Amino acid sequence: GESVGLHLPTLSVQEGDNSIINCAYSNSASDYFIWYKQESGKGPQFIIDIRSNMDKRQGQRVTVLLNKTVKHLSLQIAATQPGDSAVYFCAETGYSSASKIIFGSGTRLSIRP
Amino acid sequence: DAGVIQSPRHEVTEMGQEVTLRCKPISGHNSLFWYRQTMMRGLELLIYFNNNVPIDDSGMPEDRFSAKMPNASFSTLKIQPSEPRDSAVYFCASSLSNNSPLHFGNGTRLTVT
Repeated sequence: GESVGLHLPTLSVQEGDNSIINCAYSNSASDYFIWYKQESGKGPQFIIDIRSNMDKRQGQRVTVLLNKTVKHLSLQIAATQPGDSAVYFCAETGYSSASKIIFGSGTRLSIRP
Repeated sequence: DAGVIQSPRHEVTEMGQEVTLRCKPISGHNSLFWYRQTMMRGLELLIYFNNNVPIDDSGMPEDRFSAKMPNASFSTLKIQPSEPRDSAVYFCASSLSNNSPLHFGNGTRLTVT
């Protein structure tokens, strides 16, 4: 299924290596950040989130790093597997009830056997 | 948990026809979002609801687009009349609150000829 923009950046990684996907967010007032994974023909799937009072958060095989100084977010995937092939989106929002979640343009992760 | 359910999965219609997309959010979720995804513009937020009330519809492209949420378990996105440029994948998502991760449905692929 279709997924993202025409000029989607692509990251090609050898199976078993670690992957690092980067994201620059725009709003310095954003204080909640989420990473999503979208496989072909499916909706985005939540991977991990982080609030602005943290710099790092770990999940199963994934780590999110937040650098508020330069408004940068990264997703690290350990021991990349073929099933990790997808488009990855970062998203940002504020904490007020009137906030809305804004998605980045996405990065395609391709796994080499 | 059945997840967010969208119907139909695919819709092909002729220009000028009315299109209605349907969404059943996850039970207990208080926020519902409609997104549109295209190759050129990626994921765009169209409208979101909190407790069945539309909070922000600034992403709705034109008056041809309307969305309703008559109760906590059902929402519709209607396009009348449809145009070829409306062709996209439309996603519905729900969350416990506006600051919780979104859970997406698998989308409706709309083709307007």
